[in-house]
Order: sequence, then C-alpha cells, then structure tokens
Amino acid sequence: LAKTTQPISMDSYEGQEVNITCSHNNIATNDYITWYQQFPSQGPRFIIQGYKTKVTNEVASLFIPADRKSSTLSLPRVSLSDTAVYYCPVSQGANNLFFGTGTRLTVIP
Amino acid sequence: NAGVTQTPKFQVLKTGQSMTLQCAQDMNHEYMSWYRQDPGMGLRLIHYSVGAGITDQGEVPNGYNVSRSTTEDFPLRLLSAAPSQTSVYFCASSTGTDTQYFGPGTRLTVL
Repeated sequence: LAKTTQPISMDSYEGQEVNITCSHNNIATNDYITWYQQFPSQGPRFIIQGYKTKVTNEVASLFIPADRKSSTLSLPRVSLSDTAVYYCPVSQGANNLFFGTGTRLTVIP
Repeated sequence: NAGVTQTPKFQVLKTGQSMTLQCAQDMNHEYMSWYRQDPGMGLRLIHYSVGAGITDQGEVPNGYNVSRSTTEDFPLRLLSAAPSQTSVYFCASSTGTDTQYFGPGTRLTVL
C-alpha cells in the first residue's frame, strides 16, 4: 500500500519561508499529489494539488520532481496563523486517502 | 451551500450503547468517507462509499456500520460502543479528483 513519510514537526519564525517535504515512493501513476492543512478541532482543509513540476496558488507553492516520489510544500512568509498540521495523503484507491501523522508546523513570533 | 455537515458536535456514551453519527453534503458528490482521528495521530479511514447504495470497508471498520441510501447522506453507526472508539470522527466528500471536503467533526467519548 502507498504510504507517506514527513517530518514530525518543524518550527519557523514569522516572515520566513517554510518548506515541508513529503516522501511518497509508491504513488500511483495516475494520482495527483494533494496537501491539506488542519487546525486544532477542525477537519483538514485542501491547500494545493499538483501532478508534476510546480504549482502555485494564493497560499502556497508545490514542487514535484520528475520521478514524483516526493513533493515539497512551500509556504511563503509564514504568520502565526499558519501554525497547523500539514498532510500529504496518498490515494489507497477509490479516492480514499492514507493520511499518516503529518507535519506539525509551529510559527514563532 | 453548507458543504459537509456533521451532527452531533459532541457526544458522550456509556460502554455498550449504540448511536448514529450523521453526515450530509449538499455538493452532489458521489464519494463520501468516514475517518477517525485519535489524539496526536493522523486520520484513519473507517468506511467509504463511491455512490448511493455502494459502501466498502476502510482501514479500521470493526465496530462500525454504514449505509448510503441517498447521495447526500452517509451515517455512521456504532453498534456497541467501546472506550477504544473514543476519538474525533470526520466525514468527507469528493467528486473523485482527490480533493476531499471535510466536515467539522464529531468528538465522541465512550466511558
């Protein structure tokens, strides 16, 4: 079954760029790579999705190498409100996702 | 457009009691799923449905039942609650493009 590996936690100061890398060695050929953000006591929320190379939206960028075995979520100039857990789930088929434990990002004033 | 809604937000049960967690979505999504999240852990899939009348088991299905009689609703039933089922339960829906929309969750405590 496809699994993911992410750092358990990361700390960053406000205003810095944060890069979180996820390893997903067994990702299926047809699957997109999607990142979610979860605040305490809330459900996960979609951040960004891509298939290959680079994708950018209003909140983040996603870098995907040619072999697609990993991906890097980049958050520009983080603020205290970006403190959350970030997940890069992979599909287990039928559009159901294996989440793993995620990366807990703490932004420090 | 309310998205995915879940009721109740909080529930306390005694061991052996049964209950149903409700989930509804108004986005006409075919796919719906139930996850549980234990403290400090990621989400684990309980059951999922790819359309009305079709359900299947996920990673941790024991002790739970589901049904999908309509596109909008996907209730999760606990048959005989156990303390090990104390968790936060999230319902999600999607169109099948890997982007899932999650509800606010139900926090369940089993004494």
